[in-house]
Amino acid sequence: DAGVIQSPRHEVTEMGQEVTLRCKPISGHDYLFWYRQTMMRGLELLIYFNNNVPIDDSGMPEDRFSAKMPNASFSTLKIQPSEPRDSAVYFCASSLPTSGGLAKNIQYFGAGTRLSVL
Amino acid sequence: RKEVEQDPGPFNVPEGATVAFNCTYSNSASQSFFWYRQDCRKEPKLLMSVYSSGNEDGRFTAQLNRASQYISLLIRDSKLSDSATYLCVVKGGLAYKYIFGTGTRLKVLA
Repeated sequence: DAGVIQSPRHEVTEMGQEVTLRCKPISGHDYLFWYRQTMMRGLELLIYFNNNVPIDDSGMPEDRFSAKMPNASFSTLKIQPSEPRDSAVYFCASSLPTSGGLAKNIQYFGAGTRLSVL
Repeated sequence: RKEVEQDPGPFNVPEGATVAFNCTYSNSASQSFFWYRQDCRKEPKLLMSVYSSGNEDGRFTAQLNRASQYISLLIRDSKLSDSATYLCVVKGGLAYKYIFGTGTRLKVLA
């Protein structure tokens, strides 16, 4: 299995531009999570989906952030317009909580997208 | 009060030492507990799940104390390769949300 795949790995943009981050979860996983990590605040949950449906978006910082999951194998996180304070590493993770045994509830992370907004 | 709290460290220990990290959580309804490891500029990866009865995986031992609402991680015979940030993770109650601590940095010195 290829694991969780995120793109791009690095993104440098200017303030005011639209940024789209992409994620392909592990095949068969029915939960998908978007996180943001900064030195100051650590790893923060932004939003998560179950079976492509957004369940909790209370962590989304403001209306400039939006996330979609049009199908089971693809999700996007969009920032429009971007601001310098959005600079962070954005991680996508997926899990299969209904599986049995030791694998239950484990989250698997993608390599992250390092975003710099100038 | 943060939902999950960890001592940020850094813990600087010599090779071969035993080191222990604690993590406290505020939601008594929390159901699942984990330790993740994160190397510099990499993604978090599961180190081990934490079970009520405590569990061991080689040099690593994790324990859960529900009454006091803390979990611990013990690393024996530290290796240089153990240098990383260790994240305490708690899955709370009914919601399928994972709350991450800010991590404890460990540096094992030669």
